[in-house]
Amino acid sequence: GAVVSQHPSWVICKSGTSVKIECRSLDFQATTMFWYRQFPKQSLMLMATSNEGSKATYEQGVEKDKFLINHASLTLSTLTVTSAHPEDSSFYICSARRPSPEAFFGQGTRLTVV
Amino acid sequence: GESVGLHLPTLSVQEGDNSIINCAYSNSASDYFIWYKQESGKGPQFIIDIRSNMDKRQGQRVTVLLNKTVKHLSLQIAATQPGDSAVYFCAENGGSQGNLIFGKGTKLSVKP
Repeated sequence: GAVVSQHPSWVICKSGTSVKIECRSLDFQATTMFWYRQFPKQSLMLMATSNEGSKATYEQGVEKDKFLINHASLTLSTLTVTSAHPEDSSFYICSARRPSPEAFFGQGTRLTVV
Repeated sequence: GESVGLHLPTLSVQEGDNSIINCAYSNSASDYFIWYKQESGKGPQFIIDIRSNMDKRQGQRVTVLLNKTVKHLSLQIAATQPGDSAVYFCAENGGSQGNLIFGKGTKLSVKP
């Protein structure tokens, strides 16, 4: 099956700093990638849709200036959490799709802001 | 038995028993459904999928049933093993961005 690699798998940062999370599709080209956030004991909630070569589409309530998304190539999307605060601590997961409807997920990134 | 916690329903089964996990989906226009398994601290792992033109699909030890009339999915796991302990999510492809919409999830606990 297709592989999506997410890095780092965990990160601890200080309040006010920025953190970048990378999502790579290793064996296929992904024109669209999705970024989800998951709080403990809850489901995955879509934050934004990352489109190669164009602006990301953000879900309602997600601050685009805080969660910067860059999809510079067909195999890489990045999510930067700017000026992180403790309430941004969460599990962030990316996914990518080929033309087939199945989505492939990264391993997730555990962000802890202290 | 099945219980509903603050956010995540839990299903406890004995090792070797069959498990049935249920899910209600939201978008009647969704035509593709997937079950994922998520272990603690990891991303979702694909288990089995089904298209809307089918009502049943079988894999190895797993079966997915789809009832479009009532927008209901179920995942059946035969001879449940301790390694099956995880949170299980159903997902549908009805998102406006082509994204998957996830159900609330069910935590499966297998007692040895």
